[in-house]
Amino acid sequence: EVQLVQSGAEVKKPGESLKISCKGSGYSFSNSWIGWVRQMPGKGLEWMGIVYPGDSDTRYSPSFQGQVTISADKSISTAYLQWSSLKASDTAMYHCARGVYGGNSGKYYYYMDVWGKGTTVTVSS
Amino acid sequence: NFMLTQPHSVSESPGKTVTISCTRSSGSIASNYVHWYQQRPGSSPTTVIYEDNQRPSGVPDRFSGSIDSSSNSASLTISGLKTEDEADYYCQSFDSNNVVVFGGGTKLSVL
Repeated sequence: EVQLVQSGAEVKKPGESLKISCKGSGYSFSNSWIGWVRQMPGKGLEWMGIVYPGDSDTRYSPSFQGQVTISADKSISTAYLQWSSLKASDTAMYHCARGVYGGNSGKYYYYMDVWGKGTTVTVSS
Repeated sequence: NFMLTQPHSVSESPGKTVTISCTRSSGSIASNYVHWYQQRPGSSPTTVIYEDNQRPSGVPDRFSGSIDSSSNSASLTISGLKTEDEADYYCQSFDSNNVVVFGGGTKLSVL
């Protein structure tokens, strides 16, 4: 069974750093994109970025470029999302999801086929 | 980049059919595939339609997807509505700059 297991809820203060994780199993972790989606309380889904663990190729949403770092360690089938200095506005649920990328006849697609259960991050003084 | 616009909410009775639209702001809806996710309260999203109209295994055939170039929109149709279909639904596409775009989400009430 394909699974993504995310790390537990975090409570942090503004200015602190944080790294959350997402461990994949049941598939070839190195050969699939994996990404992160933010969901602020009561709000919709926001795509943050993706990483290809096989070669660490990383793509960011313009909205999150420079605000977070996405990485992966293929040796332990784990992807990461990290902040160097948290803000209260980073309070949200963060979902990891495996991505399917492809194209045919010049039409490309990227969608998420397996999701983790989410990690709640609360930033408060 | 383009935006995907969805109605904020829709409601329908059990057993009926509902359609949720997803309108692309610029560029052709047909130029990139559209995918749909269901998020029940307190749960993570799951995929209900991928590549415009494909259903993942395990998703009932009550769920279907389509695109309409004349309105530049995609649609998710759910027939034979059940109370368990009550959820938020999000459309998603992928632009030429390799950016994933989500619609704002539609809250479906089945009452």
